[in-house]
Amino acid sequence: KAGVTQTPRYLIKTRGQQVTLSCSPISGHRSVSWYQQTPGQGLQFLFEYFSETQRNKGNFPGRFSGRQFSNSRSEMNVSTLELGDSALYLCASSTSGANVLTFGAGSRLTVL
Amino acid sequence: KNEVEQSPQNLTAQEGEFITINCSYSVGISALHWLQQHPGGGIVSLFMLSSGKKKHGRLIATINIQEKHSSLHITASHPRDSAVYICAVMLNYGGSQGNLIFGKGTKLSVKP
Repeated sequence: KAGVTQTPRYLIKTRGQQVTLSCSPISGHRSVSWYQQTPGQGLQFLFEYFSETQRNKGNFPGRFSGRQFSNSRSEMNVSTLELGDSALYLCASSTSGANVLTFGAGSRLTVL
Repeated sequence: KNEVEQSPQNLTAQEGEFITINCSYSVGISALHWLQQHPGGGIVSLFMLSSGKKKHGRLIATINIQEKHSSLHITASHPRDSAVYICAVMLNYGGSQGNLIFGKGTKLSVKP
């Protein structure tokens, strides 16, 4: 059974650019959630999608957005990148969002 | 004050020792997760608890909902247990924006 796949694994952007990260959940999992991990703030919840609907959202500015497709794959987008957006972005999938989470390996974003 | 507090922040143990990591929280929750993160970033979900106790191999997790406290125990610790252990609480859905709130993690190093 394939795990949660995140792409790209590593990327470097410059300030002001935008970035799109992708997450393919485990087959059959309908909930996908996104998290940001930085050395200073640790892990923080970004948002959760279930059946193409955003169900929960963390305290991040509107530059952070996401969506989920009918096949449960999810993307998150960060516009107008800032240096502070440099982080490891993790996604996790579960059957309903209230069950055990399976995490992807993460996408490490560096903003120069 | 953080809503999820873990202790200790750092822990060094000798191989074979019994290890306890503690997590206290101050909000109403529907469940609590214990996660393991190895260098490189990958996160593995160890347990999801809403009451009582769970055991998997050498790992035991307990939760006391009334006292808002959970513990993760590792029996007969081994160098491969060296990792960061993260406690995360899932908020009650009613009226909350967030999905998971994370502790800062406990960095465990087990020496041979």
